Amino acid sequence: AQSVSQHNHHVILSEAASLELGCNYSYGGTVNLFWYVQYPGQHLQLLLKYFSGDPLVKGIKGFEAEFIKSKFSFNLRKPSVQWSDTAEYFCAVSRTGGGNKLTFGTGTQLKVEL
Amino acid sequence: NAGVTQTPKFQVLKTGQSMTLQCAQDMNHEYMSWYRQDPGMGLRLIHYSVGAGITDQGEVPNGYNVSRSTTEDFPLRLLSAAPSQTSVYFCASSHTVSSGNTIYFGEGSWLTVV
Repeated sequence: AQSVSQHNHHVILSEAASLELGCNYSYGGTVNLFWYVQYPGQHLQLLLKYFSGDPLVKGIKGFEAEFIKSKFSFNLRKPSVQWSDTAEYFCAVSRTGGGNKLTFGTGTQLKVEL
Repeated sequence: NAGVTQTPKFQVLKTGQSMTLQCAQDMNHEYMSWYRQDPGMGLRLIHYSVGAGITDQGEVPNGYNVSRSTTEDFPLRLLSAAPSQTSVYFCASSHTVSSGNTIYFGEGSWLTVV
């Protein structure tokens, strides 16, 4: 079975700082990768996804992620965060051909201070 | 277009009581699933369905039942609630089981078992 590790559990940044959240997965086969965001009191929203092609994926709100197959990683980046980016971020993986069953990481709580 | 609708949004149960969390989607999605979200553990798959009449277990199915009599509805039943089932529950849906399809989440149901 696949698993997902998010090593940063809590991150505090000042506005305009750059963001990188780590995500590593363990599975030997082909995977699809996702980043979801959950704003306080709200449901999960898809930030971006990768399932083939260009390993650098651009998502909504200025976020991007890079799939590095050799490192089993899919780190999320944003060059300049805003206070409104305060939320919890989840990395998730599904196996290609395994349906849409997602395995989630434990999440990273991001707080952006003014 | 309502998307994925969950009811109730909040519920308090006594240990041993039973209840059903309702989930409905109006996007004609074949694939539906239930996750629970617990602090520090991310989201974990409870049960899923790839179409009407077909259900299967996810990572944490014990204590929960599901059925899929129509494409639109996927209710989650707690047979005899336990405090360990205190959690936030999310229903999700997507088109087919082809990997990479966007998965849409409901707004969540907050359940407390006392």
